[in-house]
Amino acid sequence: ETGVTQSPTHLIKTRGQQVTLRCSSQSGHNTVSWYQQALGQGPQFIFQYYREEENGRGNFPPRFSGLQFPNYSSELNVNALELDDSALYLCASSLYDEYLNPYEQYFGPGTRLTVT
Amino acid sequence: AQKVTQAQTEISVVEKEDVTLDCVYETRDTTYYLFWYKQPPSGELVFLIRRNSFDEQNEISGRYSWNFQKSTSSFNFTITASQVVDSAVYFCALTRLPGLGGAQKLVFGQGTRLTINP
Repeated sequence: ETGVTQSPTHLIKTRGQQVTLRCSSQSGHNTVSWYQQALGQGPQFIFQYYREEENGRGNFPPRFSGLQFPNYSSELNVNALELDDSALYLCASSLYDEYLNPYEQYFGPGTRLTVT
Repeated sequence: AQKVTQAQTEISVVEKEDVTLDCVYETRDTTYYLFWYKQPPSGELVFLIRRNSFDEQNEISGRYSWNFQKSTSSFNFTITASQVVDSAVYFCALTRLPGLGGAQKLVFGQGTRLTINP
């Protein structure tokens, strides 16, 4: 196990609703990333947080937003849910250092979101 | 743009056979990093290896080995004497140096579902 935890495990929402997913980073890590994995696909990068600020985003609309807290835990918020938002949402934590070495990202077990 | 292609969607072999998972990548960066992750049915991605673009030495870890060939933009993964517990979806991923203050974004392939039959 990586030490990265996510909650809840499963979630069912209705189209148009809002959802908040939570992630607790591995001890010692200062960066958290979120990925969306549709069924049968590879994970797609949503965004990354470092020092409580978003420092990079993939091709996702603004209704996908996030937060990183001082203890490096994080939230992913999705507004105005659409059917296509149904996916496994993965949180990954890593260490970001001043030498810009991209260390490996350690993933949590994910939250399975179903939008009906 | 960066891209990772795992042409093998599914592979099924009998236990104890050797199996190779292919990964081909595209990038314009001269410095980049390649990864392999394993995703068992539980869903959690498990880190297996990281390799930077300047290190073309092959690596072996127990029954696992990786062959990085920059000339063909490939980073293949071989499991020797496969076991039922190796059954999972395997992903190859690519990232560039994030740059000062930039994000480390992993670009994943579509994955290869490996089934090891007893």
